[in-house]
Amino acid sequence: EDQVTQSPEALRLQEGESSSLNCSYTVSGLRGLFWYRQDPGKGPEFLFTLYSAGEEKEKERLKATLTKKESFLHITAPKPEDSATYLCAVYGGSQGNLIFGKGTKLSVKP
Amino acid sequence: GAVVSQHPSRVICKSGTSVKIECRSLDFQATTMFWYRQFPKQSLMLMATSNEGSKATYEQGVEKDKFLINHASLTLSTLTVTSAHPEDSSFYICSAGGSQGPSNYGYTFGSGTRLTVV
Repeated sequence: EDQVTQSPEALRLQEGESSSLNCSYTVSGLRGLFWYRQDPGKGPEFLFTLYSAGEEKEKERLKATLTKKESFLHITAPKPEDSATYLCAVYGGSQGNLIFGKGTKLSVKP
Repeated sequence: GAVVSQHPSRVICKSGTSVKIECRSLDFQATTMFWYRQFPKQSLMLMATSNEGSKATYEQGVEKDKFLINHASLTLSTLTVTSAHPEDSSFYICSAGGSQGPSNYGYTFGSGTRLTVV
């Protein structure tokens, strides 16, 4: 069964304190791993797509990496505006939809 | 980039009434639409998948007679919650894509609808 597990469930950081979010997955035939950001009461907002192990993508303070079993979202020197829930999703197997993890709720305090 | 407009953003209805939620793709043809439900502190749970012009495919445990999905055009899909009850209160989100799966930017999501049944 295709599955996505994100950890930690919640993460509190001080502004400037770098850290990483984890997304481990099991899927038959990964065809893409996606990171989204979701603010309260809003729909998910696209961040990154990763397709193969070893791939890395960067955007401002965020960097996503992928291995054969997991993906990391690294946050460097976060700011309060980075506070949100970060969702990981995989696309693969025989399904057309994305399979989501439960997300990591990030809080960055000034 | 691709934009999906979802309305209304919030709706309060009385128990027993029906509510319609619209999801429109503004600048691309949405061959496939996905409808999700999200409870507090939970992930997005897929309710159904619809392809333009075809009947929706519902996930196990989702009542198709209660959650009516229409995807009659390449730019519009609707979810109607019929005879709503308080337990149907949730955050409903749509996402859209083409026929070839997610693009390099994934599937595009609407902004969500907060349904409260009183």
